[in-house]
Amino acid sequence: SQQGEEDPQALSIQEGENATMNCSYKTSINNLQWYRQNSGRGLVHLILIRSNEREKHSGRLRVTLDTSKKSSSLLITASRAADTASYFCATDSGWGKLQFGAGTQVVVTP
Amino acid sequence: NAGVTQTPKFQVLKTGQSMTLQCAQDMNHEYMSWYRQDPGMGLRLIHYSVGAGITDQGEVPNGYNVSRSTTEDFPLRLLSAAPSQTSVYFCASSYYTGTSANTGELFFGEGSRLTVL
Repeated sequence: SQQGEEDPQALSIQEGENATMNCSYKTSINNLQWYRQNSGRGLVHLILIRSNEREKHSGRLRVTLDTSKKSSSLLITASRAADTASYFCATDSGWGKLQFGAGTQVVVTP
Repeated sequence: NAGVTQTPKFQVLKTGQSMTLQCAQDMNHEYMSWYRQDPGMGLRLIHYSVGAGITDQGEVPNGYNVSRSTTEDFPLRLLSAAPSQTSVYFCASSYYTGTSANTGELFFGEGSRLTVL
């Protein structure tokens, strides 16, 4: 079974709006990572947050981590059409076993 | 730098045939892994390696073999292809800190699209 579960499965917004997606996981982790995948391409790393961190920013991205609730959220502010992609969380439970969720498909319309 | 290179990009096999998906990285990463991606399933870990000579099973290892004789290469072998192995396969690499068992950000190849008839 997959460690991470993203919510929602799909998200449709207009340019300029914010997009928020969530990831829940089951076991303790060393770090949690978010990735983006454009259609037909490989995944691209967005941000990594360690288990002792609560919030991290990178450009228009904001990630939070709540280890007590075993959940994380990714916020994309001021969305652009180029943000249209699938977004995945991945949990590192140690010893090289990174597991991905099923992803959130985001569509940003002009 | 080329990053992570996967070959072939596309492959069609008949049931029962065997083949090897190649993966090479030029970043001197200790960690390498193989995932398969199926619609609605996200990525599922097949096998991974934290260094040359060390491999371990992921979530869905059955029907696949790996070896890691060098830091750069991590081939994935399909022993006897089945239609259920029709998928997109991704190879990824990262640094790995053995003392703290932490894996860093993954660098992905562009994928190998396999169809088994």
